[in-house]
Amino acid sequence: KAGVTQTPRYLIKTRGQQVTLSCSPISGHRSVSWYQQTPGQGLQFLFEYFSETQRNKGNFPGRFSGRQFSNSRSEMNVSTLELGDSALYLCASSETGAQPQHFGDGTRLSIL
Amino acid sequence: AQKVTQAQTEISVVEKEDVTLDCVYETRDTTYYLFWYKQPPSGELVFLIRRNSFDEQNEISGRYSWNFQKSTSSFNFTITASQVVDSAVYFCALSVTFSGGYNKLIFGAGTRLAVHP
Repeated sequence: KAGVTQTPRYLIKTRGQQVTLSCSPISGHRSVSWYQQTPGQGLQFLFEYFSETQRNKGNFPGRFSGRQFSNSRSEMNVSTLELGDSALYLCASSETGAQPQHFGDGTRLSIL
Repeated sequence: AQKVTQAQTEISVVEKEDVTLDCVYETRDTTYYLFWYKQPPSGELVFLIRRNSFDEQNEISGRYSWNFQKSTSSFNFTITASQVVDSAVYFCALSVTFSGGYNKLIFGAGTRLAVHP
């Protein structure tokens, strides 16, 4: 089985721009979660989607949003980028959300 | 509140030494899961183990072993005869279960392990 695939691997943006990150879960997995990893805050939960519905959201501003498609692929969007949004964004998938979450390689976002 | 504490920020050992990574957690839930993940320099989080709150049996997988003690809220990870390939950041995580079966992972700050030849 192919693992969780995140694209792109690296991204450089400037302040004020917006960005869209993509995540393809393991085949058959319907739950997709997103996490942000920074040196200062560590790994923090952003949100989780299951069957195209957001079930929970972490403590992030509204500039962070996401969606899930009928094939379980998920995208997250960050608008009006700030320097502090520079981070490794990790996507994880599981069958229903109650199983171990398997992570992708991440997208490293740098804001100039 | 749920919280995971990994007090060891960095550990440095010489190959073949045994090393234990500590993890202490806080939760009021009676049902929860604990995880260990490994993050090599490439960035991905590699799942190592999941343990549920009702199973306090220790687990051994090759050179890896885990000691879960509810009495001290600890879930420690030991690598026996460490190897250079074990060098990575290791994260302990607590899974909080919401109604509907969804789990959210709360991570510790991680322990960076450096194994030198």
